[in-house]
Amino acid sequence: AQSVTQPDIHITVSEGASLELRCNYSYGATPYLFWYVQSPGQGLQLLLKYFSGDTLVQGIKGFEAEFKRSQSSFNLRKPSVHWSDAAEYFCAVGAWIQGAQKLVFGQGTRLTINP
Amino acid sequence: GAVVSQHPSWVICKSGTSVKIECRSLDFQATTMFWYRQFPKQSLMLMATSNEGSKATYEQGVEKDKFLINHASLTLSTLTVTSAHPEDSSFYICSASRLAGGPSSYEQYFGPGTRLTVT
Repeated sequence: AQSVTQPDIHITVSEGASLELRCNYSYGATPYLFWYVQSPGQGLQLLLKYFSGDTLVQGIKGFEAEFKRSQSSFNLRKPSVHWSDAAEYFCAVGAWIQGAQKLVFGQGTRLTINP
Repeated sequence: GAVVSQHPSWVICKSGTSVKIECRSLDFQATTMFWYRQFPKQSLMLMATSNEGSKATYEQGVEKDKFLINHASLTLSTLTVTSAHPEDSSFYICSASRLAGGPSSYEQYFGPGTRLTVT
């Protein structure tokens, strides 16, 4: 069955430091992968997505992610975080489930930024 | 582009009453809409999937008679929580996808969410 694992529930980094959020997926077919960000009390905003081609994808707000098929991973990175990056981050895989195109989400990683 | 709105953004209702939440795609036609529930500090839990003009498909464990979903048009879906009780208090988020062909059809555009408090 398809699933997404985000091993880190909570990560704290200092402002200006680099960031990597981990995501591992389990899906039998070619994965369509997404990273979303959620600020407190808000909906989800798409950061980036991977469908095919170049395994390093660029997104909004300076984020990038690398698809590694051999490791079933799609880790999110940012070279230098800003205080405004504090939020909840969700990795998701697109899956055909019960006749519909759905997203299977990971449990999320809460990012805290130290000043 | 691809903006989804929800109304209201928050609502307080008394136990036993019903409340309706609207989800609209503002600048595109949504072939499929999704309703999620999110508990504090948790991930999203898919409640149901709906297509315009069709009955919604509910996830296992979700009460169809309590959470009524209507997808009346390609830009509007509503979730009605009937006979609400305090345990229904939660953050409800809708999303929409459009028929784009290929993997883009998996991409969902999310509304800002509705905070429901049942007293």
